[in-house]
Amino acid sequence: DIQMTQSPSFLSASVGDRVTITCQASQDINNYVNWYQQKPGKAPKVLIYDAFNLETGVPSRYSGSGSGTHFTFTISSLQPEDIATYYCQQYDELPRVTFGGGTKVDIK
Amino acid sequence: EVQLVESGGRLIQPGGSLRLSCAASGFTFKNYAMHWVRQAPGKGLEWVSAISGNGANPDYADSVNGRFTVSKDISQNTLFLQMNTLRAEDTAVYFCVMGYNSGTYFDSWGQGTLVLVSS
Repeated sequence: DIQMTQSPSFLSASVGDRVTITCQASQDINNYVNWYQQKPGKAPKVLIYDAFNLETGVPSRYSGSGSGTHFTFTISSLQPEDIATYYCQQYDELPRVTFGGGTKVDIK
Repeated sequence: EVQLVESGGRLIQPGGSLRLSCAASGFTFKNYAMHWVRQAPGKGLEWVSAISGNGANPDYADSVNGRFTVSKDISQNTLFLQMNTLRAEDTAVYFCVMGYNSGTYFDSWGQGTLVLVSS
């Protein structure tokens, strides 16, 4: 099975800061990565699909990049409503998918 | 509008069995693969199982293979997860999930149903 190593597991930043989360795949997965946001008590919500495509209605301060084994998710200017846990997910071996361990984002 | 509503979660003793249901609406159920994803308390997301649109080709995570069975009743627009020989480590919120706009990402999630395995 493909493993997704996500880092950091926790980060605290100020409003307006640029925030970056990374995911490393255990093998080449092309650009088959999605990124999700999960707020407490809620189901996850997709933000980025196919590594860099912004889901409809998602603010443009979110972005994704990468291919192969290294992927990055960025919030260009952190907002209070961005407090959440973020997950990467690979889908190179559908229907089997795997998620990264998650990054909890907090405001300083 | 796509709606997925899970039910069936409850407190169950180790070794017991439970069947989860997911009532689907707002799309042509037979045309879409469906998945179960779970989340243990305070932990991350874990893919559990999937089934193709026509109800064939079930697949399972190694952690549940041989104990869980996924199925679809297309006439009732309902997805099921039969869970047998439950263990404490199966304790989680179970989400019914699908990719409506694309089969490669999950844009539709239910609210989840909690399964608590404890004596």
